[in-house]
Amino acid sequence: DTEVTQTPKHLVMGMTNKKSLKCEQHMGHRAMYWYKQKAKKPPELMFVYSYEKLSINESVPSRFSPECPNSSLLNLHLHALQPEDSALYLCASSQAPGQGADGYTFGSGTRLTVV
Amino acid sequence: LAKTTQPISMDSYEGQEVNITCSHNNIATNDYITWYQQFPSQGPRFIIQGYKTKVTNEVASLFIPADRKSSTLSLPRVSLSDTAVYYCLVGERRDDKIIFGKGTRLHILP
Repeated sequence: DTEVTQTPKHLVMGMTNKKSLKCEQHMGHRAMYWYKQKAKKPPELMFVYSYEKLSINESVPSRFSPECPNSSLLNLHLHALQPEDSALYLCASSQAPGQGADGYTFGSGTRLTVV
Repeated sequence: LAKTTQPISMDSYEGQEVNITCSHNNIATNDYITWYQQFPSQGPRFIIQGYKTKVTNEVASLFIPADRKSSTLSLPRVSLSDTAVYYCLVGERRDDKIIFGKGTRLHILP
């Protein structure tokens, strides 16, 4: 298995809702990442998990809460989002941190719309 | 992380060779140059990586001059399916994250 699987593919949520995005990989990768991508913009790094521990938080608002329950799974919990948080949320994994930019595998993303 | 500059967009025709140039004047000795491709509504996909001179794989070639202040991604005989955004990244192999620049939006015409 050489894929990163993200679910759901599409999500519409109200500003008072709580929802979660899920990311899964079975490549034995020990680094996992969340990126946010607005339309016609490059992906922006949000969080980095290294060996199931949060190693980088790029000053992301607390309404986004990441979780890494095990080495294969990465979640992004969403609460009290704003319409401007609507974007494509991408998950990625790599063998380990610091193994080079050629080793990242990205999922297809979750298209989030906040209404 | 060295800053990169790429053209915002390019148009080409099917069957042509497309060259996308990336400037990275502040590249450091330990930096590698990496290119990713992103189709609409998909995540980026690794294309090619190099340090100096020329690298070729089944998808593309990467040309890096001796001063390494720029690089050129070459796509041979493009098809409509090569329409995508192409990102040039510069950084050390030991970097624990990758940061995307603005990318080049390539549009292939029939």
